[in-house]
Amino acid sequence: DAGVTQSPTHLIKTRGQQVTLRCSPKSGHDTVSWYQQALGQGPQFIFQYYEEEERQRGNFPDRFSGHQFPNYSSELNVNALLLGDSALYLCASSRTGPFNEQFFGPGTRLTVL
Amino acid sequence: KQEVTQIPAALSVPEGENLVLNCSFTDSAIYNLQWFRQDPGKGLTSLLLIQSSQREQTSGRLNASLDKSSGRSTLYIAASQPGDSATYLCATEGAQKLVFGQGTRLTINP
Repeated sequence: DAGVTQSPTHLIKTRGQQVTLRCSPKSGHDTVSWYQQALGQGPQFIFQYYEEEERQRGNFPDRFSGHQFPNYSSELNVNALLLGDSALYLCASSRTGPFNEQFFGPGTRLTVL
Repeated sequence: KQEVTQIPAALSVPEGENLVLNCSFTDSAIYNLQWFRQDPGKGLTSLLLIQSSQREQTSGRLNASLDKSSGRSTLYIAASQPGDSATYLCATEGAQKLVFGQGTRLTINP
């Protein structure tokens, strides 16, 4: 079992550009969540996808959008990048329902110049 | 709105000591509480998950407790080793989203 995988590992963009990050969940998991972790901070919830629909959303602007595919993999898109979007973006997968452990991928480090 | 706090922000102890990391939360309506380890620049590794109906969980040298009524959890690490050096994060789960503390950066000195 490969666990949760994310690509790319690192990414450098300039202000105003757009970026797409990708996540493949752990085998058997149907729910994918995305988190943003700024340096020295705990991760912040961006949104969650289940059955190809956004089920929950944290306090992030509409510049952050996502998608889930039929195979449960997911993408995070960020438009009109700002310097403050520089962070580690983490993807987590789980089975739907409470009491289910969330497993995290290695993250994508995004640097906006 | 759930708020999770971890104190201290950083901790440095000599190898071999037993230690306790603290986590507090404001809303006791949680499904579970999870402890994670994060090495610099890396993703999160799940250490222990305590369901809301449980009081503690153990894995090897790690023991986590949960007291929902007081809004507290502790992570106990026995016989610490230099390889335990990392940032430890706790997170509560409510409605399937995790709310994290800012973490405790732990350094074990040989």
